[in-house]
Amino acid sequence: KAGVTQTPRYLIKTRGQQVTLSCSPISGHRSVSWYQQTPGQGLQFLFEYFSETQRNKGNFPGRFSGRQFSNSRSEMNVSTLELGDSALYLCASSELAGGQDTQYFGPGTRLTVL
Amino acid sequence: GQQVMQIPQYQHVQEGEDFTTYCNSSTTLSNIQWYKQRPGGHPVFLIQLVKSGEVKKQKRLTFQFGEAKKNSSLHITATQTTDVGTYFCAAGSGSRLTFGEGTQLTVNP
Repeated sequence: KAGVTQTPRYLIKTRGQQVTLSCSPISGHRSVSWYQQTPGQGLQFLFEYFSETQRNKGNFPGRFSGRQFSNSRSEMNVSTLELGDSALYLCASSELAGGQDTQYFGPGTRLTVL
Repeated sequence: GQQVMQIPQYQHVQEGEDFTTYCNSSTTLSNIQWYKQRPGGHPVFLIQLVKSGEVKKQKRLTFQFGEAKKNSSLHITATQTTDVGTYFCAAGSGSRLTFGEGTQLTVNP
């Protein structure tokens, strides 16, 4: 099976702009989770979607949002970008609930906010 | 929310030496997962521990889950340069994983 794919791989934006990142999970996986990774904060959970429903959300402001489509592909959106949003954004898919099953991570999207 | 503390933050070893990283929680964990992230890469699943006192081995790697299910450890015997990377523990709860801060391992040949 093909692995988790994320597009784009790299992105440069300026403050105040918005960005949409895409994640295609492994075929058959219904759970998609998003994480933000920074040197200072490590891996922080953003949210988890299962069968198009957001089931859990981390401690991030409302500027961070996401959705999942019927084919399990997921997108996350960050509006009104801030410098502190510069990070590696990782998505992970699993067959079962995100916290109970092996997470298969994609290569990530590296976002730089200038 | 759930928190997991991981120590040490950094570990430098000579090739052939052993390495251990520890993960601790103040609350009982339903499960603990371990991941490895190579420099420039993404986290890759290593193992999941579910049972109290569980010990699992993968070649030179030994994983333990504490009797009280509040701590876990990863031990690597006779490190090799291919072991370089950051090792994360992650506590699973419902639909989310909470990651520890990670232990960055460097191995001098």
